[in-house]
Amino acid sequence: AAGVIQSPRHLIKEKRETATLKCYPIPRHDTVYWYQQGPGQDPQFLISFYEKMQSDKGSIPDRFSAQQFSDYHSELNMSSLELGDSALYFCASSYQRLGQGDTQYFGPGTRLTVL
Amino acid sequence: QQQVKQSPQSLIVQKGGISIINCAYENTAFDYFPWYQQFPGKGPALLIAIRPDVSEKKEGRFTISFNKSAKQFSLHIMDSQPGDSATYFCAALGENTGTASKLTFGTGTRLQVTL
Repeated sequence: AAGVIQSPRHLIKEKRETATLKCYPIPRHDTVYWYQQGPGQDPQFLISFYEKMQSDKGSIPDRFSAQQFSDYHSELNMSSLELGDSALYFCASSYQRLGQGDTQYFGPGTRLTVL
Repeated sequence: QQQVKQSPQSLIVQKGGISIINCAYENTAFDYFPWYQQFPGKGPALLIAIRPDVSEKKEGRFTISFNKSAKQFSLHIMDSQPGDSATYFCAALGENTGTASKLTFGTGTRLQVTL
């Protein structure tokens, strides 16, 4: 079965640079979530989108922005990167229209390292 | 403040034994409780989930027990195998009324199954 696809899988950036993470949800899934996971920590919710509209917002820094496109893929844009942004970034998707919105399937993650 | 409390932090179980991980929550708005399994460097994988109207759910070797009055739930892994060695996260959903609700995770339990 098709899973959530994230790219790139690894990303190394310098401080103050910009990064863009991409997420391709499971086919037909209409909802995308972004989570950040620091080393040895639990995933922390950043932001979610349903039908291309922002649905919920967590502890996402103002330096970060995200959007969901017409093909339901999503991008997380991160500017003015700081050392503390180094983490695993996960995208998850779910199928709200089918009443399965509670079941979130996670992608393999993007490991961001800020030097 | 951790809204979903998970214990133990780490667990060592012999092959064939039963692994038990416990979680507790305060927010009665939560209405969906999934468990995720995560291997190092990988995305969380959904194992099993339960809703408050059910006291127990079993899928293969994995069982969730749910105590609504105590606001506690637990994961039991029967006949634990070395391949089960991973970090397990409980989670809760339903805190907000948004369309795409965020998952709130516990702090995780690192399970090691020895031969």
